[in-house]
This record gives sequence, C-alpha cells and structure tokens, in this order.
Amino acid sequence: DAGITQSPRHKVTETGTPVTLRCHQTENHRYMYWYRQDPGHGLRLIHYSYGVKDTDKGEVSDGYSVSRSKTEDFLLTLESATSSQTSVYFCAISPPGGEPPYEQYFGPGTRLTVT
Amino acid sequence: QQQVKQSPQSLIVQKGGISIINCAYENTAFDYFPWYQQFPGKGPALLIAIRPDVSEKKEGRFTISFNKSAKQFSLHIMDSQPGDSATYFCAASVGGYQKVTFGIGTKLQVIP
Repeated sequence: DAGITQSPRHKVTETGTPVTLRCHQTENHRYMYWYRQDPGHGLRLIHYSYGVKDTDKGEVSDGYSVSRSKTEDFLLTLESATSSQTSVYFCAISPPGGEPPYEQYFGPGTRLTVT
Repeated sequence: QQQVKQSPQSLIVQKGGISIINCAYENTAFDYFPWYQQFPGKGPALLIAIRPDVSEKKEGRFTISFNKSAKQFSLHIMDSQPGDSATYFCAASVGGYQKVTFGIGTKLQVIP
C-alpha cells in the first residue's frame, strides 16, 4: 500500500463520541486525502491537504475536521460521531505536480462503525 | 449531484469474455480520467488512465475508450479472467492531483 498506514483499522464507537483516524505516510508526498466509501456512493472526498497546515474541504466535509502538523501525518476527526458516519475511510497520497499520471495511492482503509 | 455517472453497478461475465464498464461526465474542465481497481479488503489502486486528447489507450487486456464530444469514457477488459473480479471505479479530475471525483463503482464477477 505504497508506504501508507492507517490506524486504527477497525473501530466501533458510540454516537456522540469524538473519533480520530490517523494516516501516516513514508513517501514524503505533498498531497494527502481522506475519502469515505459507501455502497451506492463510491468514494467521496472529505478533506485534502496540499502541505503542512494547508487543508481544504471536499464534497462531504460536514461533521469532519482535519489537521496536518507534519508532512507524514494527516488526521481526520469526527467531532461528534453519528450513525451516518459509519463507513470505510481511506487515506490517499499523491506526489506534487509534474506530468501525469497523477496517481493517488490509497491506504488499507479504516472500518468505522458508529452505534 | 453526481458528476461522474458509472454503469452498470454490477456485472457478471464469463471467463474469456469482454467486460465493459461505462462512465459519463458533465464537467468539461475535467482533464484526467483514471480507472481504479479495488479488491475486497484493500484500497483502490490505479489501473489505467487517459487524457482527453487521446481517444483510446490500451495496456495489456485493459483498454480505455474516450469520446470527448459525448463526454463518455469506458473500460474494456478483454479475455476476462476470474482474477479480474473486483470493483472498478472510473474517476475524473481537473489538474490531476487535486480533487478527484469518483463514480459509484462496478462490482465485476468473472465466472469460470
């Protein structure tokens, strides 16, 4: 999985509790992304980062926040988890600029269940 | 509103047959169209990609056909094998490495 680890790999939590998912890369890639994968919706971008402390929203950012204090780590926080946030979460990375292919490399995913 | 529409959602093909997955897009600013392959329990991985200045790209048994005027592109898997059984996502982006919009995915099953 291209030097990307996600932790935890599985988590069950209760509605209303805060949850933080971690993505760690060893590739020193500039761009990092958080997606959620749900049946019938494919992969949807939550947030992405284009550098340390530089982040932007994706198409389904409500209820999520992110932080990136180091190149290698990108954290996704659910401030107050809801059942609608039960999903599989993928982190991805990509190198900056240059010629295509602008490939995104995905991590192994985190399965989150909110009860 | 789904910017990249993918069909079918599931597909069963006989071994040796041709698998065809179709995608359509609305945003004419898209300039990079990758396909990702995902096996169960794994993250997606880039399979093949095309730019809009090319009408077809072939890599082994996998071919992307691109129709810019119709805003459609498709993946053809020739001589489909059971090992090709996976979920396939089409995608599109502007600028390539920033926001990528994915289709909903097609679950392909190749039966012996």
